[in-house]
Order: sequence, then structure tokens, then C-alpha cells
Amino acid sequence: SQQGEEDPQALSIQEGENATMNCSYKTSINNLQWYRQNSGRGLVHLILIRSNEREKHSGRLRVTLDTSKKSSSLLITASRAADTASYFCAGGGGKLIFGQGTELSVKP
Amino acid sequence: EAGVVQSPRYKIIEKKQPVAFWCNPISGHNTLYWYRQNLGQGPELLIRYENEEAVDDSQLPKDRFSAERLKGVDSTLKIQPAELGDSAVYLCASSLDQGGTSYTGELFFGEGSRLTVL
Repeated sequence: SQQGEEDPQALSIQEGENATMNCSYKTSINNLQWYRQNSGRGLVHLILIRSNEREKHSGRLRVTLDTSKKSSSLLITASRAADTASYFCAGGGGKLIFGQGTELSVKP
Repeated sequence: EAGVVQSPRYKIIEKKQPVAFWCNPISGHNTLYWYRQNLGQGPELLIRYENEEAVDDSQLPKDRFSAERLKGVDSTLKIQPAELGDSAVYLCASSLDQGGTSYTGELFFGEGSRLTVL
């Protein structure tokens, strides 16, 4: 069973624009993580936000968490063509359960 | 430092044949996970090990799937017999001990083993 649902399922933007992806989850979590997956590759951890945090930054990434709404968002600022990938949120209380992913395409 | 190593990267078999996937986690990572990822979907957990003990195998189809992690390091995932619906990418991941002070919650994934069942 999937823990989260990402929205949108697919997003296409131009280089330099910002990309926002949303995630809703079902059960209580200890933390929520975002991963990136390039085509044909494994997943790579991007950022983790704990359940008692509301916002976190890492480079061009900004993550928010609203536990009352069971939702999170990932913002990638000043996107690059190299950001083209699928992005997954994952939450859990001991084991990570992944969402369906958002496929981001950044056109040069 | 080497990452999570999986083999084979690709496997094509006929239905009803057996297949096995191997995973070597990052050194020092006590927790090992096997996920299955269908095309266009997120990874779904099959089994999680703490050292050599399977602590969560509730999503593992035990009629045809088996896994082992002897000595708490390498792990093997086996499917016998394979069915058409088993075509997917099988991902192995590892992390530090969840109970340890160094635990960050981050999973480190291998490149995956892509299985095609004909």
C-alpha cells in the first residue's frame, strides 16, 4: 500500500522556473523524506523533515510539513535541466512507505 | 566508500523459471530493505531486516518469494516460480540501525535489478 500521494503526477517547466510538488500521506509519521530517482537508477535521498518541524531548506530545496493536514511540499528553485527526474515523498514510523511520485521535466 | 551493490542489473526469464537477486549493503548498515517498483509507481516494501532478522515481511508474497540475510550482511531475494506480474525493478536499500544515535532515517538505495518475465 502507498503511504503518500504526490501531486501533480507530472510537471513540465522551463529552466530557471520553480517547481513545486505536493505530497499527502495517510498515517502518523516520525519524519517525512523526499527522494529523487533518475530514469533507470536507484533513489537518492534529498531531504528529511521531522514531524516537529514545519520548514526546512537545503540548497535550492525547500520542504514544508503540515502534520494537521498530513501534507508536505517540495519546492525546487531556479530549476535546471539536470533536475529532470521523478520525485517521491516517503513517510513512516519505523519503515518508509513511498508515494507514487511526481515526474518532473525541466526543459532547457 | 562503496554504495549499495546489487546484481544482476538486468534479468530476462521465462515464466515459471526461478530467479535470484543479490544485495550487498553499505558497510556498517544493519538494516536492509527489499523494495519492488513497478513501472510508473513508487517503491513498495517487500521485506526489512534488522541484522539477520526479518522484522517486517508482511508484504512479501511468501508462496513464491523468499529472502535471506545470512550473517546479517549480504542478502538474497528469490522468486520461484516467476510469473508475468513479477516484472518490475527490485531495489535494495540499507540504513543505519534505527535505534542507534547515528540514525538519520535516510535510506541508501542500490541501482536496482530490472526483471522481465516473458
